[in-house]
Amino acid sequence: KAGVTQTPRYLIKTRGQQVTLSCSPISGHRSVSWYQQTPGQGLQFLFEYFSETQRNKGNFPGRFSGRQFSNSRSEMNVSTLELGDSALYLCASTLGTGGLGYTFGSGTRLTVV
Amino acid sequence: DQQVKQNSPSLSVQEGRISILNCDYTNSMFDYFLWYKKYPAEGPTFLISISSIKDKNEDGRFTVFLNKSAKHLSLHIVPSQPGDSAVYFCAASQGNYGQNFVFGPGTRLSVLP
Repeated sequence: KAGVTQTPRYLIKTRGQQVTLSCSPISGHRSVSWYQQTPGQGLQFLFEYFSETQRNKGNFPGRFSGRQFSNSRSEMNVSTLELGDSALYLCASTLGTGGLGYTFGSGTRLTVV
Repeated sequence: DQQVKQNSPSLSVQEGRISILNCDYTNSMFDYFLWYKKYPAEGPTFLISISSIKDKNEDGRFTVFLNKSAKHLSLHIVPSQPGDSAVYFCAASQGNYGQNFVFGPGTRLSVLP
């Protein structure tokens, strides 16, 4: 079965712009979580969506937002980009009802210049 | 304040020997722990997990040990193989619903032939 698909793979934006990243979960998975990975910080949890509702949220500023559609696909938006937003953004999907099955996509590498 | 710590940013081991990766956590409410492996340009992949009701879980060459009193877990890889060279992330959560895991910063393992 197809894995978690993230698009685009690479993105270069300038400060002040906004960006939208997309994630298509594994078929049947209803939970989508987003993580930011930066060197030395590991994976920082952004938020999790389940059945189109934000169920959990990490400690990121309001410039970071997301949504989930009825087909479980999710988008993440970052407005007013800052240089420090340069990172690998990873999406992970699960069934969302317990147990393992936390599968990551390959990520979107965002560079802010 | 990092709730999950991996104090060794890198580790080098000879092929065939044992690799021991360590992880410490501060939140006593964590009761479910996972290890993920990440190759460059790929998303993290699930390796092994352990719940707080156990102190050891084994899967082939991989064994995870949990010391709840010390809030410490370790991943043992025996024997180490060059293909094990990757970044290893420790993650913890309350419950195993698969969302809102807290990840450590990762340890880069290099297995030398």
